[in-house]
Amino acid sequence: QKEVEQNSGPLSVPEGAIASLNCTYSDRVSQSFFWYRQYSGKSPELIMSIYSNGDKEDGRFTAQLNKASQYVSLLIRDSQPSDSATYLCAVNTGNQFYFGTGTSLTVIP
Amino acid sequence: NAGVTQTPKFRILKIGQSMTLQCAQDMNHNYMYWYRQDPGMGLKLIYYSVGAGITDKGEVPNGYNVSRSTTEDFPLRLELAAPSQTSVYFCASSYSWRKNYSNQPQHFGDGTRLSIL
Repeated sequence: QKEVEQNSGPLSVPEGAIASLNCTYSDRVSQSFFWYRQYSGKSPELIMSIYSNGDKEDGRFTAQLNKASQYVSLLIRDSQPSDSATYLCAVNTGNQFYFGTGTSLTVIP
Repeated sequence: NAGVTQTPKFRILKIGQSMTLQCAQDMNHNYMYWYRQDPGMGLKLIYYSVGAGITDKGEVPNGYNVSRSTTEDFPLRLELAAPSQTSVYFCASSYSWRKNYSNQPQHFGDGTRLSIL
């Protein structure tokens, strides 16, 4: 059973702070890693993809991958109220994608 | 620029009824997926397809069937609907140039909210 674990939260941060979201996965052969944002009642929206160890930055978002520790994280800098959503970690192995249950983030104005 | 289109958006079924959830994509993606999402839970894979004529089971396939006669369409069939199938269903697609390996991110449709009473 391939597992993707996330802290369910809720995680609350003040506006302008850094939000840190974490994800661990069980399958060592997993190849690709994704972060999706999902607003309540909406479909998942891709934020970041990361394929190799290290950091990847895109605007206010930074994804970090450590395959040895089977760990992937997402940092959101200068958090905005519009960032309030559930963040899903997804791990790709072969043809399939495995999703965590998501971390609920609330950014307090 | 439609992307992934799912119909219907909402549906209420009675126990034992059948229905087909439609999914179409216009991005020429070869991979397509069906997920269900229960409240407070992550996405669970029902079925997926790596190309026309090829389908395979995911984590929770019982009670569902799929077909993939064209690249664009991937309908999900519910036979003998049960209350446990009340959920939000998402269709997704992605592209891979490699066989048996899809590492490109998925694009999701808006979902179908299905209630079975």
